[in-house]
Amino acid sequence: GIQVEQSPPDLILQEGANSTLRCNFSDSVNNLQWFHQNPWGQLINLFYIPSGTKQNGRLSATTVATERYSLLYISSSQTTDSGVYFCAVKTSYDKVIFGPGTSLSVIP
Amino acid sequence: GAVVSQHPSRVICKSGTSVKIECRSLDFQATTMFWYRQFPKKSLMLMATSNEGSKATYEQGVEKDKFLINHASLTLSTLTVTSAHPEDSSFYICSASVPDSHEAFFGQGTRLTVV
Repeated sequence: GIQVEQSPPDLILQEGANSTLRCNFSDSVNNLQWFHQNPWGQLINLFYIPSGTKQNGRLSATTVATERYSLLYISSSQTTDSGVYFCAVKTSYDKVIFGPGTSLSVIP
Repeated sequence: GAVVSQHPSRVICKSGTSVKIECRSLDFQATTMFWYRQFPKKSLMLMATSNEGSKATYEQGVEKDKFLINHASLTLSTLTVTSAHPEDSSFYICSASVPDSHEAFFGQGTRLTVV
């Protein structure tokens, strides 16, 4: 089946710093989404981005489908950005497969 | 975005009992829903695909008799953990996609503790 990798696995940032999270996938996908899982477990939809670039406030994402990767940019990080960031891809069978996640800690 | 509601958010049960978790799509109809399990500090693992009006499709290694899935309507899927044991303790989360869209939306999750 399709493999989804994320890097780095863990990241510690000083508040105000910028960061880039990466997601690689092994096969063609119908879509790609980025999620933020908060400390209570809720998955927050950040981006639905099968290709191209999108921006939402301090966050932006770029997916290059032909090269099978996506990047999530976080600028001017805040402590509330802490949590786990997952990328997830949807296969031709409609299943959503998650990457292992990047655990982000933003310290004051 | 679309809303998927999951209930209960937290449940504690005794070993040997069964627990039912509900997943509802509140503002759209979903012919397919998905159930995931998440262990502490791990990613989400797909357990099964819930199909409205037909049998669920289980991923390899998931016991269908342990995790019963029913998708009786276009807005409701249920996961029943039967004869629960402490090793079934976990975070369970469901998802559904809006028709004609590939974007998935997730419920709030259910934290199950079996004592």
